Amino acid sequence: KQEVTQIPAALSVPEGENLVLNCSFTDSAIYNLQWFRQDPGKGLTSLLLIQSSQREQTSGRLNASLDKSSGRSTLYIAASQPGDSATYLCACQGGSEKLVFGKGTKLTVNP
Amino acid sequence: GAGVSQSPSNKVTEKGKDVELRCDPISGHTALYWYRQSLGQGLEFLIYFQGNSAPDKSGLPSDRFSAERTGGSVSTLTIQRTQQEDSAVYLCASSPRQPSTNTEAFFGQGTRLTVV
Repeated sequence: KQEVTQIPAALSVPEGENLVLNCSFTDSAIYNLQWFRQDPGKGLTSLLLIQSSQREQTSGRLNASLDKSSGRSTLYIAASQPGDSATYLCACQGGSEKLVFGKGTKLTVNP
Repeated sequence: GAGVSQSPSNKVTEKGKDVELRCDPISGHTALYWYRQSLGQGLEFLIYFQGNSAPDKSGLPSDRFSAERTGGSVSTLTIQRTQQEDSAVYLCASSPRQPSTNTEAFFGQGTRLTVV
C-alpha cells in the first residue's frame, strides 16, 4: 500500500527566501507524481506533474524533482512571495490509478 | 472551457437526512475521482470512475455512501442517513486519460458538508 509523507508539516519563511518542500513515498512503482496547491477553503490547483520517466519539471519560480529509486520528490520555490502562502500537497499515482496524497506542508511567507 | 464544477458549494443538513453532491468533470475527461477532506486531515480517496470500467469503490467508508456516473460525464455522490462524522469537504477531480500516460488531475472547488 502506497504511503506518502510530507515534511515539514508547516514552514514559515521571510519573503524572498528560496525554500524546499519534501515528499517521500514508499512504493516506487508510480506512473507520475503531482504537486498541488490548496488555499484555505478552496479546492486543489495543479502546479506540476512529473512522469515516472522524468527527473524534474519547471514552471516559473517552481521546480519539482523526482527520484523514484529513493522514493523522494522535492518542490523548490524560488524567491518566495506572500502570495505563495498556502498548503502544498504531493500525490502519487500508480497501478491502482488513484492518487495517494500526503498530508501537506502549510507554507507561510511573511512580508 | 470550464474546469471541474461541483454543486452545491456548501450544504448544511440534519443528522439522518440523505444528501446528494454533484460533480461536472471537464468535458472529454474519462477519469473521475471523489475524495474527502476532513478538518485538519489529508485527502481520503472515496471512489474512482474510468470510462466504462467498473468503478473502484474501495475507499467508500460505509454502505451509506454510493456514487454513480451517468453517461460517462456527470457524477453524483450520495450519502444516506448522514452522521456528524460525515462533515467534511468533498472534492471531485477529473483527468483526460489512463494514468500510464501523462495525465494531470484537475480538482473542483469542493462541497463543504456540515451535518448538524
